[in-house]
Amino acid sequence: DQQVKQNSPSLSVQEGRISILNCDYTNSMFDYFLWYKKYPAEGPTFLISISSIKDKNEDGRFTVFLNKSAKHLSLHIVPSQPGDSAVYFCAALSSGTYKYIFGTGTRLKVLA
Amino acid sequence: GAGVSQSPRYKVAKRGQDVALRCDPISGHVSLFWYQQALGQGPEFLTYFQNEAQLDKSGLPSDRFFAERPEGSVSTLKIQRTQQEDSAVYLCASSPQGPGSNQPQHFGDGTRLSIL
Repeated sequence: DQQVKQNSPSLSVQEGRISILNCDYTNSMFDYFLWYKKYPAEGPTFLISISSIKDKNEDGRFTVFLNKSAKHLSLHIVPSQPGDSAVYFCAALSSGTYKYIFGTGTRLKVLA
Repeated sequence: GAGVSQSPRYKVAKRGQDVALRCDPISGHVSLFWYQQALGQGPEFLTYFQNEAQLDKSGLPSDRFFAERPEGSVSTLKIQRTQQEDSAVYLCASSPQGPGSNQPQHFGDGTRLSIL
């Protein structure tokens, strides 16, 4: 029972173009969402988050969009850079709890 | 260093041996989490500590897995009588406050455990 799904295992994008990574969730109690980036042999590092009271949060080249009715969120990276090549995980949490649920990840490859 | 530190980075053990994995969270962080990450999967929750109290161990796969954080800082995950299916990366994460504060976790680089 996968409560957080990342249906695209991999994505390739040309340098300078937009990367869009998608994440779907099933539990309507989730109200805080995060994106993490992971390089090989390193732990995940926090990238950006969004609370369910918002539908968009932006931080430099990274923007997260939340569509609560569709239970869908996406991460946009513009412009994409080769250093963005990594595995991206989305995670979800119900406020007041501590159990973060992670998706299976999407491997992004940015081609120079 | 200022980050979460895990040791060893790599551990190879024979089936049936006991192993102990260590996590040094960021100083002062209240919350500490252990995750198991299988190849091609996302981190799966194992257990959660708030200071020295283990509030949730529902993710531990069997009673061969045991975690402790006796003084509310360093934590150890112990696996007894290891099996091949225990092979995975074990990640530790910490965050400054307890539940209800909606904050990102800081992860260590993990321990890659291989059971032969």
